[in-house]
Formats: sequence, C-alpha cells, structure tokens
Amino acid sequence: ELKVEQNPLFLSMQEGKNYTIYCNYSTTSDRLYWYRQDPGKSLESLFVLLSNGAVKQEGRLMASLDTKARLSTLHITAAVHDLSATYFCAAAGETSGSRLTFGEGTQLTVNP
Amino acid sequence: DADVTQTPRNRITKTGKRIMLECSQTKGHDRMYWYRQDPGLGLRLIYYSFDVKDINKGEISDGYSVSRQAQAKFSLSLESAIPNQTALYFCATSGPTVGLETQYFGPGTRLLVL
Repeated sequence: ELKVEQNPLFLSMQEGKNYTIYCNYSTTSDRLYWYRQDPGKSLESLFVLLSNGAVKQEGRLMASLDTKARLSTLHITAAVHDLSATYFCAAAGETSGSRLTFGEGTQLTVNP
Repeated sequence: DADVTQTPRNRITKTGKRIMLECSQTKGHDRMYWYRQDPGLGLRLIYYSFDVKDINKGEISDGYSVSRQAQAKFSLSLESAIPNQTALYFCATSGPTVGLETQYFGPGTRLLVL
C-alpha cells in the first residue's frame, strides 16, 4: 500500500527566506504531483513530475523528484506573503493507475 | 465557467438523513473521483470511476455510494449521514492521457452532519 508523508506539516517563515518541503512515499511511484490549496478553496495543480531527476520551476517554487530515494522536494525561494497556503504532494503508484495518494499537507505561513 | 462544478457548496443535515452531492464536468474526461478532506489527513479517496460503466471503491467507501449518470456527472450519496462524515468533499476529474494525466478539482462541498 502506497503511503505518502510530508514534512514539516506546519511551516512559518519570514518573507525573503528560503525553505524546502519534503515528500516521502513508500513504494515505487509513476508520477508525483504538487498541489496548492488556499484557505476555503479548491486544489490547484502546481507541478507534475514524471521521471527520476525531474525538476520543474514556476516563479519562486521549484519541485524535484528522486525516485531512488522515493523523495520529492518543493523548494521555496525568497518567500513572499502570497505563497501562504497549504501544499500537498500526491503520488500515483505503479499499479494504481490514475488514483492518487495524498500527503497530509504542509500549511505554509509567510510573515512580513 | 468552471470546468468542474459541485452542488451544493454547503450543506447542513441531521444524523440519519440521506443526502446527495453532485458533480459535473465540462472537460470531457472519462475519469472522475470523490475525495473527502479532514484537517491533518490530506485527501482520502472515497470512490472513483474510469468510465460510465465503471465504479470502484477507494480507501474509505463505507457509508457512501456513488452513481455515474453520464460521462460528465458523478454523484456521491450518504445513505444515512453520521456526524463523523462532517468534512469537505471534493470531486475531481483526470485526463486527457492515461498515465500522464493531472487531476482537476471542483470547488468542494462543505458538509456538516449534526
């Protein structure tokens, strides 16, 4: 059974600082996703990582995937208040087809 | 207009009542999903459907049922609601290419069972 764990679950950081959110998964995965959720809102797709060593960047966010370590990271560069949200990673197991298993989410607060 | 819509957006009901949550999508995807979100637990899959004739249980299907009325419509029912079904419910679709798809989420239905 695929399990996905994120850490930290809560992150409070100052504007301008850098930080990384980690996502570990327990079995081989075909695909790794990152989503963003604003309070009271739906989930917005950020990144899809499909292969070992994949790296994708959008603005101040960069996601990477290491399939050998079963680890994905979401790196935040020079954080700004607008990045405050909950970030979820989700993995699709090799035998799960389109089904995703989600991590618990990391609640990020960026303080001025 | 939103690609994935859910109705109602908020619902308060009493223990023992039957309720239905509806989901419609205009993305033309075959695959649809129902999740529930609880604080600190992420999203958990309730049911999923890969086409109109296909219905599958997810990890927490007990107490729920679904109906796939058409490619674009996927409904979730709580036959006899109980307080621990209080949660935020999301419908999602995925596509277009199997194995490379992204899931697209509706706005959510906030359900309170008293």
